[in-house]
Amino acid sequence: ETGVTQSPTHLIKTRGQQVTLRCSSQSGHNTVSWYQQALGQGPQFIFQYYREEENGRGNFPPRFSGLQFPNYSSELNVNALELDDSALYLCASSSWTSDNYEQYFGPGTRLTVT
Amino acid sequence: AQSVTQLGSHVSVSEGALVLLRCNYSSSVPPYLFWYVQYPNQGLQLLLKYTTGATLVKGINGFEAEFKKSETSFHLTKPSAHMSDAAEYFCAVSWPGGFKTIFGAGTRLFVKA
Repeated sequence: ETGVTQSPTHLIKTRGQQVTLRCSSQSGHNTVSWYQQALGQGPQFIFQYYREEENGRGNFPPRFSGLQFPNYSSELNVNALELDDSALYLCASSSWTSDNYEQYFGPGTRLTVT
Repeated sequence: AQSVTQLGSHVSVSEGALVLLRCNYSSSVPPYLFWYVQYPNQGLQLLLKYTTGATLVKGINGFEAEFKKSETSFHLTKPSAHMSDAAEYFCAVSWPGGFKTIFGAGTRLFVKA
């Protein structure tokens, strides 16, 4: 059973650019959630995807968007990058049938916006 | 509004001493409660969780936590700290049928030799 993987590990972008982060869910999981973890803070919920549809969203602007693919892999897209977008981005997969009460986290992508 | 508060952004203990990390939550419905650990440059690893049933929950690496509804608390303990326990610990809350998990700000645990 493979765990949750994310790519790339690190990324440096310039303010105003766009970025795509990728996540492969744990085998058998049909739900993926994305979190932003700023330095020294806890993870903040961005959104969740279930069966390729957005299932819920946190307090993030529309320039944060996502996709979930039929194989349950996922992308997080951020447009018009701002300096405050610098953070560790975590994805977590879970199985909806287990009522979403346990999530498995990937190692994260460290995004730096300059 | 639902929230999670972790008391103490930094906790320092001596090796072999009791570890106590505090977590209080605010929720209008019975929550699911979690503790995660994060080592430097890594993702989150689940230590333990409470959903229903027994209020004293045992997790990995000798950690345990007790759900106290009357105090809206879910404090994490370990009888004897090891150097390898030094890390960041996050308390989190979710809800049955919900899509969102709310995390506390984290507590960094230091273990002194």
